[in-house]
Amino acid sequence: AQKITQTQPGMFVQEKEAVTLDCTYDTSDPSYGLFWYKQPSSGEMIFLIYQGSYDQQNATEGRYSLNFQKARKSANLVISASQLGDSAMYFCAMREVNTGNQFYFGTGTSLTVIP
Amino acid sequence: ETGVTQTPRHLVMGMTNKKSLKCEQHLGHNAMYWYKQSAKKPLELMFVYNFKEQTENNSVPSRFSPECPNSSHLFLHLHTLQPEDSALYLCASSQNNGGAQDNEQFFGPGTRLTVL
Repeated sequence: AQKITQTQPGMFVQEKEAVTLDCTYDTSDPSYGLFWYKQPSSGEMIFLIYQGSYDQQNATEGRYSLNFQKARKSANLVISASQLGDSAMYFCAMREVNTGNQFYFGTGTSLTVIP
Repeated sequence: ETGVTQTPRHLVMGMTNKKSLKCEQHLGHNAMYWYKQSAKKPLELMFVYNFKEQTENNSVPSRFSPECPNSSHLFLHLHTLQPEDSALYLCASSQNNGGAQDNEQFFGPGTRLTVL
């Protein structure tokens, strides 16, 4: 079974609007971390936001927020006030405590911001 | 230099060539990783080094050979590759303190490899 599932291969959003990128995960480990990365066309993976499995509040970093619904095993990324520079691939990832160093990545969502 | 650097950024090689990819991290991290990224596929973790010791080898063919001489440098030696090995190879580092609450992975810009 896939550890991380991103069901939206491509998304479009109007500039200045908000957009939600979906991510669901599969784990039986009670302790895990969830991450979102942005990959522009240049190729570099850029860390955006982190949510720990025991965190009580949803993580926020500037225009990025993570809608963490633990019972549903979802960790959707919300980008508010989209900018043209937000156009990129977005990857959801998970790290389980018991597997130590291994990160699991989804297939990514391509976001295009329309002027 | 800051962060994670990778050289070369682009590499074209024939199937009989031998080449090496280099990764260097300037963040003082204790773990380094090699990933392969092919089109329309999730990132594939290839190798993990923790304190210079290899801790993961995800069934990677022997034509890929990693080397970690110290905690700041990581190499991927390539020989007799196949065209299907063409991909973006990403290096990452992180500081692992034993829990998922650890810091995120920091990635390098990647090496775009084309095997002819």
